[in-house]
Amino acid sequence: KAGVTQTPRYLIKTRGQQVTLSCSPISGHRSVSWYQQTPGQGLQFLFEYFSETQRNKGNFPGRFSGRQFSNSRSEMNVSTLELGDSALYLCASSPEGRGVYEQYFGPGTRLTVT
Amino acid sequence: QQQVKQSPQSLIVQKGGISIINCAYENTAFDYFPWYQQFPGKGPALLIAIRPDVSEKKEGRFTISFNKSAKQFSLHIMDSQPGDSATYFCAASMVGSNYKLTFGKGTLLTVNP
Repeated sequence: KAGVTQTPRYLIKTRGQQVTLSCSPISGHRSVSWYQQTPGQGLQFLFEYFSETQRNKGNFPGRFSGRQFSNSRSEMNVSTLELGDSALYLCASSPEGRGVYEQYFGPGTRLTVT
Repeated sequence: QQQVKQSPQSLIVQKGGISIINCAYENTAFDYFPWYQQFPGKGPALLIAIRPDVSEKKEGRFTISFNKSAKQFSLHIMDSQPGDSATYFCAASMVGSNYKLTFGKGTLLTVNP
């Protein structure tokens, strides 16, 4: 099976712009989670989607949003970018019912905000 | 509030040596403790995990030791190899919240040949 894929792999944006990142889970996986990874804060949970519904959300401002499509592909959007949003954004997928016990991460999208 | 504290931040070990990374947690509701390995340009990958009902779990050269009373757990890498050079993250998941991992801040391990 192909792994989790994320596009684009690298992105440079200007402060104030918005950005959309894409994640394609492993075939058959319906749960998709997003994490932000920074040197200072490490990996922090953003949100989790299952069957096109956001089931859980981390402690991030409303500028961070996401959605999931009927084919389980997911996108996350960050509006009004700030310098502090520069990070590696990781997507992870899980088979139904397995949650964190069987979570597969993609390679991430490296976002740089200038 | 950092719920999972990981140390050291970086570690240098000679080939064949033992690498030890420690984590401490605060929330007694955590019931699942995985370790992830991350190579540059890759996402984290599950290495080994433990539940609090056992004190140790071994898989090949990797061992987790778990001390429930001290709220600490550690990863031991025996016979460390240069190919083990990576960033290691401990994590924890809470009862009833198996969708979310709380991660430590990571340890950069370098194994010198």
